[in-house]
Amino acid sequence: DIQMTQSPSTLSASIGDSVTITCRASQSISNNWVAWYQQKPGTAPKLLIYGASTLESGVPSRFSGSGSGTDFTLTISSLQPDDFATYYCQQYNSYLFTFGGGTKVEIK
Amino acid sequence: QVQLVQSGAEVKKPGASVMVSCKTSGYNFFNYYLFWVRQAPGQRPERVGWINPKNGATFAAQIFQGRVTMTRDTSIDTVYLELSGLKFSDTAVYYCARVRLPGTLTLSHWGQGTLVAVSS
Repeated sequence: DIQMTQSPSTLSASIGDSVTITCRASQSISNNWVAWYQQKPGTAPKLLIYGASTLESGVPSRFSGSGSGTDFTLTISSLQPDDFATYYCQQYNSYLFTFGGGTKVEIK
Repeated sequence: QVQLVQSGAEVKKPGASVMVSCKTSGYNFFNYYLFWVRQAPGQRPERVGWINPKNGATFAAQIFQGRVTMTRDTSIDTVYLELSGLKFSDTAVYYCARVRLPGTLTLSHWGQGTLVAVSS
């Protein structure tokens, strides 16, 4: 299986800050098949971005994704109170998809 | 709207079996693969397997081989996950999730999750 390594594991930020989360794959991901999810305690993950950079319908434009090959990033510009959550990347190079270890975004 | 509604929490003893259901609505049941994903406390989501509702074909992650059975009931648009030989390490929230589009592997619609606790 392809391993996905996220960093940082925890991030402290203030309302209005811009934050970036990184995900590194153990091998190159074809077609940029990387997605990002947001998860709040006690709820299921929510799809934010797929294809490395395409915003899912209804997701605010302050979320953006980029990257290719093995390195991918999720950026949240102007952090809002609703954005404090844990974020996971997912590679879906095949049916053997895997998730990163998660990044918890906390209030500073 | 698309909805996936799962069965309630379960507490089981080691070695027992558990079945979790996932009732779908709001879309054509036959057109979208459904995945089972589990998440142990404080851990990342982990792929359990998938089912093709059209023909019932399934594929389970290798670590679950022989212990996982996925089925569907097309009369009620519902899929089931059965996990046998439960271990303490199977304690997790189990989610069913639907792919965003046929042929894709991003999960756009999720059930609310079912806690399976394995305890002696």
